[in-house]
Amino acid sequence: GQNIDQPTEMTATEGAIVQINCTYQTSGFNGLFWYQQHAGEAPTFLSYNVLDGLEEKGRFSSFLSRSKGYSYLLLKELQMKDSASYLCAVRDRNTDKLIFGTGTRLQVFP
Amino acid sequence: DSGVTQTPKHLITATGQRVTLRCSPRSGDLSVYWYQQSLDQGLQFLIQYYNGEERAKGNILERFSAQQFPDLHSELNLSSLELGDSALYFCASTDGGGDYGYTFGSGTRLTVV
Repeated sequence: GQNIDQPTEMTATEGAIVQINCTYQTSGFNGLFWYQQHAGEAPTFLSYNVLDGLEEKGRFSSFLSRSKGYSYLLLKELQMKDSASYLCAVRDRNTDKLIFGTGTRLQVFP
Repeated sequence: DSGVTQTPKHLITATGQRVTLRCSPRSGDLSVYWYQQSLDQGLQFLIQYYNGEERAKGNILERFSAQQFPDLHSELNLSSLELGDSALYFCASTDGGGDYGYTFGSGTRLTVV
């Protein structure tokens, strides 16, 4: 089976940097995704890692270590609009389904 | 517009009733996934279809069923509804490769009263 852990809530200040961690245990790993979800809205794709290392996309970066079952999402130059939930999801090798963690609610303060 | 269309956007119904949620995947996508998200909860995987065939099942209740039609749209049927079934129901689609993310519809908010 799969188990995905993320912190429940985090707070940060506008303009700062925040790192959201995700640890996972899975029987068949085929990639890790990060999604952003504003309350009541659909999740939107942020990043994808399948190999170890850092993927950078503008203000967002995501890191993966498969041997440690660990990933993080790094958000730089935080803006108020970054206040949202950030969902870590692991893709199952056999079916391609995504299994989501419970998400981390990030609040950005002025 | 993500390209994945879900209808209706909102649904209010009484306990014991049956409802059908509809999802049209993004053009060209063969895989459809259904997720349930209760208040302040994570996305719970319900069921996956690929090109009309069931491919994977999550913790889907026996009162729930789904299917994917030849035109690739999918329907999720929820019966004998209970108060606890109130949630957001999301559909997502992918072309099978999925390296660039799974596209989610805007969801159906179901309220059981």
